Amino acid sequence: EVQVLDSGGGLVQPGGSLRLSCAASGFTFSSYIMSWVRQAPGKGLEWVSAIGGSGDNIFYADSVKGRFTISRDNSKNTLYLQMNSLRVEDTAVYYCAKGQGGTNNWFDSWGQGTLVTVSS
Amino acid sequence: EVVLTQSPATLSLSPGERATLSCRASQSVSSYLAWYQQKPGQAPRLLIYDASNRATGIPARFSGSGSGTDFTLTISSLEPEDFAVYYCQQRYNWPPITFGQGTRLDIK
Repeated sequence: EVQVLDSGGGLVQPGGSLRLSCAASGFTFSSYIMSWVRQAPGKGLEWVSAIGGSGDNIFYADSVKGRFTISRDNSKNTLYLQMNSLRVEDTAVYYCAKGQGGTNNWFDSWGQGTLVTVSS
Repeated sequence: EVVLTQSPATLSLSPGERATLSCRASQSVSSYLAWYQQKPGQAPRLLIYDASNRATGIPARFSGSGSGTDFTLTISSLEPEDFAVYYCQQRYNWPPITFGQGTRLDIK
């Protein structure tokens, strides 16, 4: 069974840092593009970042470029999101999401979400 | 950036009725459009991809149509568990991947 389990959220002050993790199982992790998608409280979905299976193709939304870093460790079947210089507007539930196949960015499996709260 | 506009914002219907949800793209996305369902406190679930293909395990009452800039998600006969928020998403011209703002489907 395909599973993705995200973790690492919490309360952080503006300007602080946090690292999210996503543990994957039930599929060949290195063969799939993975993404982070966030949802601010009561709002819609916003794509944050994506990384190719081998880790060489990386993309960011303009809202996080230069502050967030996506990475993956295929030996540990784990996806990461390092978030620096956090802002109040980064407050959201963060989901890791698996691409459907190859470079396909239809998200067919999602984590349960981890809440990041940026507040003083 | 491709902007996706969903309508209506809220749709109030009764179980057994037919639901028609719309998603319009600011430029052509060919058939690179998907639909997701999200219930309160849950992650989104992929329903439809490539505009008209049902994802694994999705009931046949869900169907998608359209290409270019205009897309429709149809639920042929609403079941109680179908009342949720629905989002469309494009991956034709990315980054960024973009989502519509959502349509809330409420019980009338």
